[in-house]
Amino acid sequence: KNQVEQSPQSLIILEGKNCTLQCNYTVSPFSNLRWYKQDTGRGPVSLTIMTFSENTKSNGRYTATLDADTKQSSLHITASQLSDSASYICVVSALPNDYKLSFGAGTTVTVRA
Amino acid sequence: NAGVTQTPKFQVLKTGQSMTLQCAQDMNHEYMSWYRQDPGMGLRLIHYSVGAGITDQGEVPNGYNVSRSTTEDFPLRLLSAAPSQTSVYFCASRVNRDWRLWDGSSGANVLTFGAGSRLTVL
Repeated sequence: KNQVEQSPQSLIILEGKNCTLQCNYTVSPFSNLRWYKQDTGRGPVSLTIMTFSENTKSNGRYTATLDADTKQSSLHITASQLSDSASYICVVSALPNDYKLSFGAGTTVTVRA
Repeated sequence: NAGVTQTPKFQVLKTGQSMTLQCAQDMNHEYMSWYRQDPGMGLRLIHYSVGAGITDQGEVPNGYNVSRSTTEDFPLRLLSAAPSQTSVYFCASRVNRDWRLWDGSSGANVLTFGAGSRLTVL
């Protein structure tokens, strides 16, 4: 069964600090990996998407990395802001199509002033 | 564009009642899907559709029915609600571009989610 594991489950950081979230997956054959941000009470919003040919992707203060060999990804948040408080979800897709995605349980990030 | 619109936002049902969660998108997306989100778990796919008249089961389809009569709408029906169906439900849609035609991640299929529907079954 395809699985996506995220760590840590939650973390608290001070405003202005950096943090890194981890995602390990067993999805095969791999197609693409996405990071989503989900604010409380809202639907997930796409941050980045990486195909098998990419190993890093940035979106403002968010930088995602992908190591397809070790099946690991990370999401780095730089100079955190209060608005970064949310759940961050790793989503992996398998070939041959993009119909069924495997979702991680998410990492809840709390940024404190 | 309104994106993906879900109704209702909140609903309380009694065991055995039926109801329909509505989902509509105005982006002409071929692919639409329903997920449920439970505490401590990742989103799980219930049903999906790749076009009008075409639906298929996801990971947790039991107790749910869907139909796709138009490109815009993809309703989720609970025929006889059970407490185990208490959850937050999300509808999502995207274009259905063949992955072999993707131009790196910029041409990939990005999934757009609705705001969610919180369902409680007593």
